[in-house]
Parts: sequence; structure tokens; C-alpha cells
Amino acid sequence: GAVVSQHPSRVICKSGTSVKIECRSLDFQATTMFWYRQFPKQSLMLMATSNEGSKATYEQGVEKDKFLINHASLTLSTLTVTSAHPEDSSFYICSATEGQAQETQYFGPGTRLLVL
Amino acid sequence: GQNIDQPTEMTATEGAIVQINCTYQTSGFNGLFWYQQHAGEAPTFLSYNVLDGLEEKGRFSSFLSRSKGYSYLLLKELQMKDSASYLCAVRGSFSQNFVFGPGTRLSVLP
Repeated sequence: GAVVSQHPSRVICKSGTSVKIECRSLDFQATTMFWYRQFPKQSLMLMATSNEGSKATYEQGVEKDKFLINHASLTLSTLTVTSAHPEDSSFYICSATEGQAQETQYFGPGTRLLVL
Repeated sequence: GQNIDQPTEMTATEGAIVQINCTYQTSGFNGLFWYQQHAGEAPTFLSYNVLDGLEEKGRFSSFLSRSKGYSYLLLKELQMKDSASYLCAVRGSFSQNFVFGPGTRLSVLP
């Protein structure tokens, strides 16, 4: 099956710093990538949808200036959490789909962010 | 609006059968997905239904009734490793987005 990687898998940072998370599709071209956030014992919450070469579409309540998304190529999307605060601590998961008629999305392994 | 509902927690015994239900109300429908997620890990794809009926894949089966806005995931011959959260997700018409339910935490006991 299709493989999606994320880097880093775990990051600890100080409050006020910015953190960049990379999401890569390793063996397919991802026309669309999704970014989710998941708090403990809760389900996935979609943050934004990004298509290669265009601006990301953010879900209601997600600040686009705080969570910067760049989908520069068909295999790479990045999420930058700017000026991170402790409440941004969460599990961030990306996923990717291949083509418009895709049946499913393939998830990366996730990035656990802890802001001190 | 869009709403997906699942039981929060379920418990079953090793070797038994368990059915996890999912009801949904979405603006349009273009497929229902089931994912398994172990604690601290990303979800993994289990099944996909877009037409009414039962899809069987080994120990896992998934059923869909579009008219009732209802699906279930059936797990047979439960194993301890099946202890995980099971997420139901729906994709709306002409939409790329998947809306996830709250997830069902399944505990398999010896």
C-alpha cells in the first residue's frame, strides 16, 4: 500500500518558538494532503486540506496565520506551528490521497508535539 | 451540518464477536470508511463501503445502509491485539474531506 512519512515523530519545544512538521508521500503522488490534530482520547479533527500548488483550505476555527501549510510539491506538505503555546501540544497527523477518485487516505505515523 | 455517532467504549472477550455501530448524518455521501487506531499511533485503513451491503475482509466485515445512515464494523475471533480505537469516517458528495466520528475504544479481555 501507499506509504506516508512524517518528520519529526516527536518534538519538544519552548513556548513562543515555531515548529515545522513535514509530511511526505513516498511511493505515490499526493494530489491532496490533509492535516489533523488529535487530543488524548479524542477523534481526529481536520485542520486543513491542501492541494499541490494552491492555498490550503482551513476548517472553521483553525487560524491560518498560526498553522502555516505549504504544499510545494506532489510529495511534500509542511505544517508550521508558529509561536507555539502549551495548548498547541497535541498529536498532529497528516494523510494523503492519490487522485480524485481515491478510495481512502493514507496516514502518516503522526508527530507528537509538546510545548513547554 | 454533519454528525457521526459511535459508542464511546466497548468491551469483549477474546475469541468472541463484536459489532461496532456508526450512524451518520451528512450533506451528501461518497463513501464510509473504518479505521483502526492503536494508542499513540496513526489510523490504519480497515474497510470502505460506498454501496449498501456487507463487505468481508478476513476477520473484519463492514456493513452499510445508506437509507438508514448506518454502518457497522464486525470483528470475529477477537484477539488481544484488536484492542484499539475504531474510527468511522464519511466522505461527503464531491468532497475531498473525511469527517471522522468520535471513535469507539474497544477493550478485548482474556
